[in-house]
Amino acid sequence: AQSVAQPEDQVNVAEGNPLTVKCTYSVSGNPYLFWYVQYPNRGLQFLLKYITGDNLVKGSYGFEAEFNKSQTSFHLKKPSALVSDSALYFCAVRDGRTGGGNKLTFGTGTQLKVEL
Amino acid sequence: DADVTQTPRNRITKTGKRIMLECSQTKGHDRMYWYRQDPGLGLRLIYYSFDVKDINKGEISDGYSVSRQAQAKFSLSLESAIPNQTALYFCATSDPDPQGTSRGYTFGSGTRLTVV
Repeated sequence: AQSVAQPEDQVNVAEGNPLTVKCTYSVSGNPYLFWYVQYPNRGLQFLLKYITGDNLVKGSYGFEAEFNKSQTSFHLKKPSALVSDSALYFCAVRDGRTGGGNKLTFGTGTQLKVEL
Repeated sequence: DADVTQTPRNRITKTGKRIMLECSQTKGHDRMYWYRQDPGLGLRLIYYSFDVKDINKGEISDGYSVSRQAQAKFSLSLESAIPNQTALYFCATSDPDPQGTSRGYTFGSGTRLTVV
């Protein structure tokens, strides 16, 4: 079975400071990892993904994430936070093996609050 | 027009009533999913369908049923609504994507259901 843990319900950061939203995962095969963002009254929107290759993945709105196989982590980062980054962030994983079913398993979400 | 459309956007219903939530997509994806979102619990899979003739229960299917009327349409029904089914419901679509080239899922904007 695959699973995702987002240990922080909420992360608070001042605008202009770097931010990190944590995610760890468990999956049998090679992990395909995703970050999604949810703004109020909206569906989830794709931010970035890791499939293979470079451990540092760059995505939308200046976000990036670092894949760490030994720590089974995929933390989301941004060098300088904006108030408009305030939203709910979800990490997700699927088994990358052929026939793995393509079902994503989501974490419980982390509310990011960026303050002036 | 949105790629994945959910109707209604908001619904208040009484305990014991039958209610249907509808989802339609223009992505041409074979795979469709229904999730519910509750604060602190993230997204939980209710049902999923890999094609019109393939429907599967997710982790929390009790009290729900689905119908895949066509490749583009996937409806979720609450046969006899109860208050703890009050939640935000999301429909999502994907293609098989064995190589992980896609963005994972495409989500609708959600249906906020309140059972009183």
